Amino acid sequence: DTAVSQTPKYLVTQMGNDKSIKCEQNLGHDTMYWYKQDSKKFLKIMFSYNNKELIINETVPNRFSPKSPDKAHLNLHINSLELGDSAVYFCASSLKSYNEQFFGPGTRLTVL
Amino acid sequence: AQKVTQAQTEISVVEKEDVTLDCVYETRDTTYYLFWYKQPPSGELVFLIRRNSFDEQNEISGRYSWNFQKSTSSFNFTITASQVVDSAVYFCALSEALTNDYKLSFGAGTTVTVRA
Repeated sequence: DTAVSQTPKYLVTQMGNDKSIKCEQNLGHDTMYWYKQDSKKFLKIMFSYNNKELIINETVPNRFSPKSPDKAHLNLHINSLELGDSAVYFCASSLKSYNEQFFGPGTRLTVL
Repeated sequence: AQKVTQAQTEISVVEKEDVTLDCVYETRDTTYYLFWYKQPPSGELVFLIRRNSFDEQNEISGRYSWNFQKSTSSFNFTITASQVVDSAVYFCALSEALTNDYKLSFGAGTTVTVRA
């Protein structure tokens, strides 16, 4: 029944490791997003995909690579993790770009 | 430049008080959308309302109401008769059609604490 789901919910890892976060939506939406929420709760968009095509790519280090195997999935792979990558990462989806976005529960990433 | 300003960082009220959250936005687009989201202590982001730039009607949903005024570029949110469960961070956000490809620009959030 979960509309937008993310796994894992928590991720604790060492600097330099590579990790992935998975996102799936069962709402039939066309557009999916990744956001980063920092320790001050500031939310910033990282990427947006529409029908598996990348449409928004903010100023994000190229260690971050999104992948959308199909319309319902948008995964985020992070290489060579750094301390500054510690944050909560939210996946979201919307029917069209201008519609309201529905967010997943978030993945709290802690880099040690 | 920040597109969405939520000047109130924190608001603390006693239960049953009304609380109004300010949101001021900045855009040159004629077509844009405004949103409010709630983030309770559990961490999820909950969609509350979406309003497009052509619809200045105020909206009421239960204890929640929104006042959209294009003349002052504001989209304020009022919680009437607040309850402890209203304690959360509230985010205002702007989506612009032409300037920004509908990217959501969030304000910094206002933390509301409702005390019993």
